[in-house]
Amino acid sequence: NAGVTQTPKFQVLKTGQSMTLQCAQDMNHEYMSWYRQDPGMGLRLIHYSVGAGITDQGEVPNGYNVSRSTTEDFPLRLLSAAPSQTSVYFCASSKQGQALNTGELFFGEGSRLTVL
Amino acid sequence: AQTVTQSQPEMSVQEAETVTLSCTYDTSENNYYLFWYKQPPSRQMILVIRQEAYKQQNATENRFSVNFQKAAKSFSLKISDSQLGDTAMYFCAFMKPDSGAQKLVFGQGTRLTINP
Repeated sequence: NAGVTQTPKFQVLKTGQSMTLQCAQDMNHEYMSWYRQDPGMGLRLIHYSVGAGITDQGEVPNGYNVSRSTTEDFPLRLLSAAPSQTSVYFCASSKQGQALNTGELFFGEGSRLTVL
Repeated sequence: AQTVTQSQPEMSVQEAETVTLSCTYDTSENNYYLFWYKQPPSRQMILVIRQEAYKQQNATENRFSVNFQKAAKSFSLKISDSQLGDTAMYFCAFMKPDSGAQKLVFGQGTRLTINP
């Protein structure tokens, strides 16, 4: 019962470095998304995908890239990390049309990123 | 754009007491979904309860129930007979139906502490 798996769980970067947060799900979910969680701001949507080969921007996409080459994987790339990207990142997935799109998301355990 | 507001950053009650967490939202949509998610110290996001806007009956899940006031755009969560394991961050979230894209808008969160 792996569900949604995120790696790494913790990462420290220097300003300007690049990195990729990995997200994989084994539930054959069409919909996948990335959120960032900051104190006092809840979770905000960065990017999402409704299926392989299809991605779109969420509320706070600047500084992040995504791709969806397979149904299972949805990596989030930071090309040039900035201190403002220090946050906890969550990947979430759901089956398209699940219970008529009732919105229940399955979350990973989060990745804490610190940019110095 | 939809917004979700949780006006109580922190709450604290004694074990076995009843506690109510507040949530208000702003939308021009008529059909939508509302959720309460729980985030314990482990960081895992867990769906607590879900409400469809077209349903007049308030949702209940064991000790958890909601008071959904559509006209007032209010969606509060009541936890009865609170337990130590209820200690967590609680997030209210809004979603409008969208073909395949389950984009949730989260509130800022309420940190709930249950004291022994």
